[in-house]
Amino acid sequence: QKEVEQDPGPLSVPEGAIVSLNCTYSNSAFQYFMWYRQYSRKGPELLMYTYSSGNKEDGRFTAQVDKSSKYISLFIRDSQPSDSATYLCAMSAFGGFKTIFGAGTRLFVKA
Amino acid sequence: DTAVSQTPKYLVTQMGNDKSIKCEQNLGHDTMYWYKQDSKKFLKIMFSYNNKELIINETVPNRFSPKSPDKAHLNLHINSLELGDSAVYFCASSQDSREDTQYFGPGTRLTVL
Repeated sequence: QKEVEQDPGPLSVPEGAIVSLNCTYSNSAFQYFMWYRQYSRKGPELLMYTYSSGNKEDGRFTAQVDKSSKYISLFIRDSQPSDSATYLCAMSAFGGFKTIFGAGTRLFVKA
Repeated sequence: DTAVSQTPKYLVTQMGNDKSIKCEQNLGHDTMYWYKQDSKKFLKIMFSYNNKELIINETVPNRFSPKSPDKAHLNLHINSLELGDSAVYFCASSQDSREDTQYFGPGTRLTVL
């Protein structure tokens, strides 16, 4: 079993839809949780960062962490074609040292 | 100004050759990383350096040798290239080894023929 599981998709939604992206993990020591966005032929860029459980909101993006279920989510409201990208979850137990990435979910938002 | 830069962007080479990829960051960060991203987009850490010292060396063939001449640079040298080495290689940096926010370079797409 991989430490971090993420459905690779692709996920296709119409413009304006609410998008839900998820990851599950097995290592209960993880306490730092990140979401990265990667456009085609580009490097990943940090989108959201959460420490421990709870919600964090930034504009149209909301990150949720449920440590009891070992489950994290990223919600995108009012999705736009410019949100079309691969979204990678990432997590670590000790900070940047040995961050584990999910496989990434490819998202297409159709105009 | 590019925060993390890599050269070359594309690299096409024959099996058995030796090649190098260079990485530079101008963020003043102490920690740098090399990742390999395969065709399925799975991003896997290979090496991590903190202040020019190796702190992570995942299960990577010893044909791969990182070198950090100073804390702003982390180069990756690959000997005797194999078909399975074809992937996109990303360099990244973070403030220090405990900082979670990593800044990635644009990637080097390596194709081994």
